[in-house]
Amino acid sequence: GENVEQHPSTLSVQEGDSAVIKCTYSDSASNYFPWYKQELGKGPQLIIDIRSNVGEKKDQRIAVTLNKTAKHFSLHITETQPEDSAVYFCAASIRTGANSKLTFGKGITLSVRP
Amino acid sequence: EPEVTQTPSHQVTQMGQEVILRCVPISNHLYFYWYRQILGQKVEFLVSFYNNEISEKSEIFDDQFSVERPDGSNFTLKIRSTKLEDSAMYFCASRERTAGVDEQFFGPGTRLTVL
Repeated sequence: GENVEQHPSTLSVQEGDSAVIKCTYSDSASNYFPWYKQELGKGPQLIIDIRSNVGEKKDQRIAVTLNKTAKHFSLHITETQPEDSAVYFCAASIRTGANSKLTFGKGITLSVRP
Repeated sequence: EPEVTQTPSHQVTQMGQEVILRCVPISNHLYFYWYRQILGQKVEFLVSFYNNEISEKSEIFDDQFSVERPDGSNFTLKIRSTKLEDSAMYFCASRERTAGVDEQFFGPGTRLTVL
């Protein structure tokens, strides 16, 4: 089955700097890659996602890149703010209707220092 | 904004007892999921549910687990005889059935503690 690895496990950046979080996946059939942000006491919330027919997607300060050949995808956050501090999860899925289960990475704790 | 809700937020139970975790998915969603996260570990898929039947389940989802949609709004996960290793955060998620829409919306989770 699919295996998703996420690196690093913790990341601390200065406010205003960029943060990059990387994930690798094992199943070349995976075609959907969401990123979730989890704040304390809440469930994971989708912040951006990308499908395998696209190499990059951007939404304001957040971007995701996908390299299908190398089987890795990355989350880029620019101009980080203290409210970006949270746990971030990457995931991979094979989109097949009801059976679109997500396989998650272990999560990374991002700390943005004011 | 519509959201997935889960109750209770925290459940403490004795080993061997039955627990039912409840979820109310977003109202127009038709795909439902349960995931769990043991402390310090990955979020793991348990089961997906569509059209009143299980679509897929993981090897974690053994005979001790069952899911049900007893009415038009609730989606439940039952653990028949809890074990210590069932202690985890359990997340419910739902997704709409529109082609091209992939996002799974997660609830806040239920923390299950088995003593």
